[in-house]
Amino acid sequence: GDSVTQMEGPVTLSEEAFLTINCTYTATGYPSLFWYVQYPGEGLQLLLKATKADDKGSNKGFEATYRKETTSFHLEKGSVQVSDSAVYFCALDSGSARQLTFGSGTQLTVLP
Amino acid sequence: GAVVSQHPSRVICKSGTSVKIECRSLDFQATTMFWYRQFPKQSLMLMATSNEGSKATYEQGVEKDKFLINHASLTLSTLTVTSAHPEDSSFYICSATTGGRGDTQYFGPGTRLTVL
Repeated sequence: GDSVTQMEGPVTLSEEAFLTINCTYTATGYPSLFWYVQYPGEGLQLLLKATKADDKGSNKGFEATYRKETTSFHLEKGSVQVSDSAVYFCALDSGSARQLTFGSGTQLTVLP
Repeated sequence: GAVVSQHPSRVICKSGTSVKIECRSLDFQATTMFWYRQFPKQSLMLMATSNEGSKATYEQGVEKDKFLINHASLTLSTLTVTSAHPEDSSFYICSATTGGRGDTQYFGPGTRLTVL
């Protein structure tokens, strides 16, 4: 079945540091890939997505590129802010049932 | 656009009572809605998929008589936790989509259920 493997957290960075959160996946067919962010006590917000190989999703300074050859969708940001502190989930949509398969989530804490 | 609301945001109830949680798509028609459960510091666990006008499809291990789902219209789905017990305490999150491959799921803000 489909699965998503995320870099284990928690991750603690200083403000303005470079962020990478690794995400790899296993899926049949050609899934769409997503990054969602969850702030404390809230639901999930879509951060970015990519629907086909080599697509780059970007939003709020975050980027991720759909790499079919390495089955990866790593999340990056050049300079994190305290307000980026949250839990980040990588997910895939395999298409047939439109269900999302989530990774385990990575807790990011950015210190001032 | 693409806003999903949930009501209530928090609910505390006594063991044995039933609790209804509403999920609404405010500015789009959702052909499919999903219900998730999230335990502290864990990922989301899909409970069921509901399509408007038809019976929900439950994931393995989820009791359909315990968690009643009704998707009566293209903008509203409800989850009723029947005869709630303390082990049902959790964060329940819904999402909605218009359908189609790669279509984004828009998530509600979640409902924190505490059963005493």
